[in-house]
Amino acid sequence: EDQVTQSPEALRLQEGESSSLNCSYTVSGLRGLFWYRQDPGKGPEFLFTLYSAGEEKEKERLKATLTKKESFLHITAPKPEDSATYLCAVQAWGGTSYGKLTFGQGTILTVHP
Amino acid sequence: KAGVTQTPRYLIKTRGQQVTLSCSPISGHRSVSWYQQTPGQGLQFLFEYFSETQRNKGNFPGRFSGRQFSNSRSEMNVSTLELGDSALYLCASSSGLAGAEHNEQFFGPGTRLTVL
Repeated sequence: EDQVTQSPEALRLQEGESSSLNCSYTVSGLRGLFWYRQDPGKGPEFLFTLYSAGEEKEKERLKATLTKKESFLHITAPKPEDSATYLCAVQAWGGTSYGKLTFGQGTILTVHP
Repeated sequence: KAGVTQTPRYLIKTRGQQVTLSCSPISGHRSVSWYQQTPGQGLQFLFEYFSETQRNKGNFPGRFSGRQFSNSRSEMNVSTLELGDSALYLCASSSGLAGAEHNEQFFGPGTRLTVL
């Protein structure tokens, strides 16, 4: 069974203080690893898809990396508007995985000015 | 390009009632997935529809059902509501095509269901 574990559960940063969020996963065959951002009362907002170990993607202050066992979301010089819950999800290959993302519990990020 | 829309945004029901939620995917997307989000269990997969056919189903009781129409709009129904069904119900759309690059899912704002 696919599993995703995110750490830490919560992270409090000062504005400008860079850090990383971790996503550890086990999956039979990785089709894709996804990062989402979710603000309170809203649906998850798509950030990145990573497909293979060694892949990296960047968007503004965010950079996602992937190894065979985990992914990191690096946040450089965060701002208060980066405060949100960050979700990691995996999708496996195979018919039993059609349209199914397996999510971690998320990391609640708070950035203080 | 319009995003995923869900209606209604909020619902209050009592135990034993049934409810129908609606989801309109991004134009051109043929796959719709449904998820339940609760503080304790997080986001859990309910089922996925592609071209009016259910292709995949999560571990939820038969009280949870869905369907998809020829225009790719989807509905989910929960019958005999229980207190534990209170949650944010999210739908996500994707192209549904083969190939890893086509499986990115884009979520709607969700429907907040409260069961009293």
